[in-house]
Amino acid sequence: SAVISQKPSRDICQRGTSLTIQCQVDSQVTMMFWYRQQPGQSLTLIATANQGSEATYESGFVIDKFPISRPNLTFSTLTVSNMSPEDSSIYLCSVELGQGVVEAFFGQGTRLTVV
Amino acid sequence: GEDVEQSLFLSVREGDSSVINCTYTDSSSTYLYWYKQEPGAGLQLLTYIFSNMDMKQDQRLTVLLNKKDKHLSLRIADTQTGDSAIYFCAERDYGQNFVFGPGTRLSVLP
Repeated sequence: SAVISQKPSRDICQRGTSLTIQCQVDSQVTMMFWYRQQPGQSLTLIATANQGSEATYESGFVIDKFPISRPNLTFSTLTVSNMSPEDSSIYLCSVELGQGVVEAFFGQGTRLTVV
Repeated sequence: GEDVEQSLFLSVREGDSSVINCTYTDSSSTYLYWYKQEPGAGLQLLTYIFSNMDMKQDQRLTVLLNKKDKHLSLRIADTQTGDSAIYFCAERDYGQNFVFGPGTRLSVLP
């Protein structure tokens, strides 16, 4: 398994500002992902964080709004830019350990409230 | 596209069995998963099953898969108050992204 630490665990932010969420894993992992969980909803994949190259975004999500970095195999950041109240959600980091490993592990999430 | 459906709420008495149901549409699903989310926490992987299996048991948890009907269930025996949480069903094909259901909120009554 993997131990995933996300920071911050929660934040309240003013609209128009940006927040960077960090995801640290205790071991090198092949795949890192960022999900959004809107209030009362299921999880939606935002993007796959690629080490050393640009993230791969899902339909409906763009780099300008959700820039992602992944400088190495254990760390990634997600920035929520120019926030509005509609961005209030839980943001979750997820990892997969490598080829042939079918489990995905999740961080505890960052609960973001935009006021 | 792929879709995963779950009933949104389930209430059971402490000590009873809980059965959480899930249906999915993607016939090429290779893996099916159950995750648990406690209040204020991330997702915890409970168990998963390969599509070529029809049952998997792990302590109090039993997963049943009916591939013909694309129906997955999670049975929790002797349900405890600590089992109160949201349970997400998810499916994916090999090398593809997860598709999550909406989650079933399980309430365990004393």
